[in-house]
Amino acid sequence: GENVEQHPSTLSVQEGDSAVIKCTYSDSASNYFPWYKQELGKRPQLIIDIRSNVGEKKDQRIAVTLNKTAKHFSLHITETQPEDSAVYFCAARTGYALNFGKGTSLLVTP
Amino acid sequence: GAVVSQHPSWVICKSGTSVKIECRSLDFQATTMFWYRQFPKQSLMLMATSNEGSKATYEQGVEKDKFLINHASLTLSTLTVTSAHPEDSSFYICSAGGGAGAYEQYFGPGTRLTVT
Repeated sequence: GENVEQHPSTLSVQEGDSAVIKCTYSDSASNYFPWYKQELGKRPQLIIDIRSNVGEKKDQRIAVTLNKTAKHFSLHITETQPEDSAVYFCAARTGYALNFGKGTSLLVTP
Repeated sequence: GAVVSQHPSWVICKSGTSVKIECRSLDFQATTMFWYRQFPKQSLMLMATSNEGSKATYEQGVEKDKFLINHASLTLSTLTVTSAHPEDSSFYICSAGGGAGAYEQYFGPGTRLTVT
């Protein structure tokens, strides 16, 4: 089945700096790559997603890039703010199911 | 976006009893729903894919006789944890959508199950 690797597991940045989280996937048939933000005890919230026919997508301070050849995709958060602190999960869709990475705990310090 | 609800939001039960969790899509019809389990400080692990009107598809390692899934209508899927044990204590999250031609999955708020 699909295997999604996510790095780093923890990331600490100063407010205003950028944060980058990287994921790799194994199944070349994967066609949809969402990123979720999850706060403690709450549901995952979709923050950005990208389909396999697109290489890059941006939404204000958040961007995602996809390299299908290398089977990796990355989340970029610019001008980080303390409220960006949370756990971020990448996922890859094969068929109808999502396979999640292990998560990155992001801490933004003022 | 679409709204998915879960009930209950938290439940405490005794070892050996069964617990039913409901997942509802409130403003759309979901032919496919998904059940995930999340242990503390871990990722979401897909347990099963629930298809309306047919049997659920379970992921490897998930006991189908222990985690009973019923998807009797286009807006409701239920997960019953039978003969619960303390190791079943976890955060159970459902999602809906993500079917044919629909990429995005909409997550429910989750159910915190504690088995004593």
